[in-house]
Amino acid sequence: AQSVTQPDIHITVSEGASLELRCNYSYGATPYLFWYVQSPGQGLQLLLKYFSGDTLVQGIKGFEAEFKRSQSSFNLRKPSVHWSDAAEYFCAVAPNTGFQKLVFGTGTRLLVSP
Amino acid sequence: DAGVTQSPTHLIKTRGQQVTLRCSPKSGHDTVSWYQQALGQGPQFIFQYYEEEERQRGNFPDRFSGHQFPNYSSELNVNALLLGDSALYLCASSSPPGGTPSYEQYFGPGTRLTVT
Repeated sequence: AQSVTQPDIHITVSEGASLELRCNYSYGATPYLFWYVQSPGQGLQLLLKYFSGDTLVQGIKGFEAEFKRSQSSFNLRKPSVHWSDAAEYFCAVAPNTGFQKLVFGTGTRLLVSP
Repeated sequence: DAGVTQSPTHLIKTRGQQVTLRCSPKSGHDTVSWYQQALGQGPQFIFQYYEEEERQRGNFPDRFSGHQFPNYSSELNVNALLLGDSALYLCASSSPPGGTPSYEQYFGPGTRLTVT
C-alpha cells in the first residue's frame, strides 16, 4: 500500500530564512507527487507537482521541490520565507495507473517568526 | 471562473442522524472526489465519481455513500453518524483532458461537520 511520511509535525522558520519540508513515500513504482498548502479554515491549494522528467520542479509562490528516486523523497524548498507562508503543508502521492486517488501525509505546520 | 464550491460551510449533527453535503465542481471538470480530514490529520480519500458512477472507493464503511448528478455536481451522504465522523469534508474536482486522467485536483473550502 502507498504511504507518505512527513517526519516534521511543526517547523519554525525566521522570516527571510530558507525552508525545507521533508516528504518520503512508499510505493512500488514512481508515483505522481504533489505538494499542497492549507491555510486555517481553508481548502487545499496545489503548490507544485511531479509527473516525470526534470526532477526539480517549480511551483507557485516561489516554492520548488526535488524528486530523488534513490531516497523516495520529494522535499519542498523555498529560499526566503515570508510571514504569509505560515500554513499547513501536505505532501501527496497518486498512483500512475489512471486513477486519481491522492494519498496524503499527515502534514507539517509551518510557523514563521519575525 | 468559480472554483469548487461546497455547502454548507458548517454543520452540527447528533449521533445517529444522517447528513448530506454538497459540492459543485470547477467549471469544465467532470470528476469529483471526496476526502475526510480529521483534526490534525491529512485528508483521507473516501470515493470518486465520474460519469455519475462511483469509480474508486477508499477504506470507508457503507454508511458513506455518494451521488453525482448530470451537471457533475455531487453529494456525500453519511448515515448513522458517529462521533468519529466529526471532520472537515473536502471535495475536489478534476477533468480528463482528451481522455487522459488529470491528476490536478482542485479542492473546495470544505464542510466542517461536528457530531455531538
